[in-house]
Amino acid sequence: QQQVKQSPQSLIVQKGGISIINCAYENTAFDYFPWYQQFPGKGPALLIAIRPDVSEKKEGRFTISFNKSAKQFSLHIIDSQPGDSATYFCAASKGTSGSRLTFGEGTQLTVNP
Amino acid sequence: DAGVIQSPRHEVTEMGQEVTLRCKPISGHNSLFWYRQTMMRGLELLIYFNNNVPIDDSGMPEDRFSAKMPNASFSTLKIQPSEPRDSAVYFCASSRHSGYGYTFGSGTRLTVV
Repeated sequence: QQQVKQSPQSLIVQKGGISIINCAYENTAFDYFPWYQQFPGKGPALLIAIRPDVSEKKEGRFTISFNKSAKQFSLHIIDSQPGDSATYFCAASKGTSGSRLTFGEGTQLTVNP
Repeated sequence: DAGVIQSPRHEVTEMGQEVTLRCKPISGHNSLFWYRQTMMRGLELLIYFNNNVPIDDSGMPEDRFSAKMPNASFSTLKIQPSEPRDSAVYFCASSRHSGYGYTFGSGTRLTVV
């Protein structure tokens, strides 16, 4: 019930293309869904997050789409750039003190110039 | 804010030696997490603290691993004795609430030879 499944494991996109990473969760008590971005040699950094009262959140070229009934959420990166090449992790939690984030397995994104 | 500070950045040690990793969380954050990252297993939560109290240590691999948080501004993760399979990047993260808003440190890359 605590698992978060992420796909694909790796993704190669051409510059200017759209990158899409998907996650699915099981625990219906989850109410906070962040995405983290990790560059080589660095720790993961919060990129964007959503709560289930909205179906979409956009920040610049990054958008989270959320489907509560399907228990799925996804990260879309439009106009992908080589600088977006990194590992992306989805996560989920109850969003309250006393709970903790459960991370997906990660997706290695490569954007070719 | 200096962020989450981890030391050392790199550690190379011989099998059987004791290794101590250190973490200074962000001031005002009351939750602290220790993660291990490997290619095979991704991000694994080892242990986390709320208000300096260990809440969940179910991810600690075995008795060779121990973690302490003597005060709100310092935590250690100790491995004794170390083994080659402990080689990984160890991350510390902190947050105001254990359910969201994690800030990760830059990690300690541990190599046990």
